[in-house]
Amino acid sequence: EAGVAQSPRYKIIEKRQSVAFWCNPISGHATLYWYQQILGQGPKLLIQFQNNGVVDDSQLPKDRFSAERLKGVDSTLKIQPAKLEDSAVYLCASSLTTSQETQYFGPGTRLLVL
Amino acid sequence: GENVEQHPSTLSVQEGDSAVIKCTYSDSASNYFPWYKQELGKRPQLIIDIRSNVGEKKDQRIAVTLNKTAKHFSLHITETQPEDSAVYFCAASTQGGSEKLVFGKGMKLTVNP
Repeated sequence: EAGVAQSPRYKIIEKRQSVAFWCNPISGHATLYWYQQILGQGPKLLIQFQNNGVVDDSQLPKDRFSAERLKGVDSTLKIQPAKLEDSAVYLCASSLTTSQETQYFGPGTRLLVL
Repeated sequence: GENVEQHPSTLSVQEGDSAVIKCTYSDSASNYFPWYKQELGKRPQLIIDIRSNVGEKKDQRIAVTLNKTAKHFSLHITETQPEDSAVYFCAASTQGGSEKLVFGKGMKLTVNP
């Protein structure tokens, strides 16, 4: 089966600019996650969707980050305006139903904010 | 909320040796503990997981043990090979509520030929 797709793979922007990432989960997977992985650390959950509803966004910096999954399939994550500390890899993952099933990760988008 | 600590942060072994990675968690309600392997520049991939109703689980050269009383779980890799070199992450999840996974900071394993 096709895996989780993400684009772009790399992005370089200047601080205060905006950026958007796209994720297409594995077909049929109801749950979609966005993680932020800073160099040398483990993935940190930003937001979790169940179909098109938000299950957890407690660690999403809502003053600058937003995410949507309007039709319960693809998702976009946006940062506006970006800060230097947003430099990280943004990983999208999906699972069939809950987070206690295998989460399949996409290749990630590596963001560098200058 | 849940906090997952992982140690050591780096480990270097000779090919054929065993490697053990230990993790502790803080939320006694956590009941799902997966382990992910991440090679340099690649995506994390699940290698094994364990649930709280099981104390040990094996899959060929890898095994995971869980001690709920002490709130710690460990990954054991036997007969290590150079291709086992990667960063290994443990994680914990609590059933109910958001059920989100909380990851440790990772351990970089180097297997020297």
